[in-house]
Amino acid sequence: DGGITQSPKYLFRKEGQNVTLSCEQNLNHDAMYWYRQDPGQGLRLIYYSQIVNDFQKGDIAEGYSVSREKKESFPLTVTSAQKNPTAFYLCASSGWDGSYEQYFGPGTRLTVT
Amino acid sequence: QQPVQSPQAVILREGEDAVINCSSSKALYSVHWYRQKHGEAPVFLMILLKGGEQKGHEKISASFNEKKQQSSLYLTASQLSYSGTYFCGTDPNDYKLSFGAGTTVTVRA
Repeated sequence: DGGITQSPKYLFRKEGQNVTLSCEQNLNHDAMYWYRQDPGQGLRLIYYSQIVNDFQKGDIAEGYSVSREKKESFPLTVTSAQKNPTAFYLCASSGWDGSYEQYFGPGTRLTVT
Repeated sequence: QQPVQSPQAVILREGEDAVINCSSSKALYSVHWYRQKHGEAPVFLMILLKGGEQKGHEKISASFNEKKQQSSLYLTASQLSYSGTYFCGTDPNDYKLSFGAGTTVTVRA
């Protein structure tokens, strides 16, 4: 079955630690995205990538980093510089541009204490 | 710039209709609509492209007024399964979406 997988579903970390969230897709999509969702809020774009080895900052990139070494994979690292990292993180993929629907993974709920 | 959605929330009885609006300050290339159930990932409903036609999916349809930079989602004869939070995502042709804050729809029996 084609789709997007994110792991783990729940993640707990101590303040000051970096943590990497996994996102893999087997839909052969060019573009991949990372969003952050806070309770009762919409989706805010952290980073996106349209091709391998290239990515762009979204609206709230500070304190986050990404890589796109393979078409299928787009991991997100939440660094200790991110002031308020506790949130629900969603990865998505799509065709090249905004004319294509975005498919979302199941999300990772990160709690930092 | 995030699009503005209205209303923030709506409560319906089964069979009633509702309209959700999405307004952007930018000229748009496409508008996407998604529905999210609590604790789950958003699910795609439909895309409206500049110059395209009104779309529909069963009793959920949408329109896109390019001139006014607005889109509306129509929930007709609502069912219990329509409950969730609806998001519009707008693309001014810069390869990424900006999402509205969402409209929470509650359908009661």
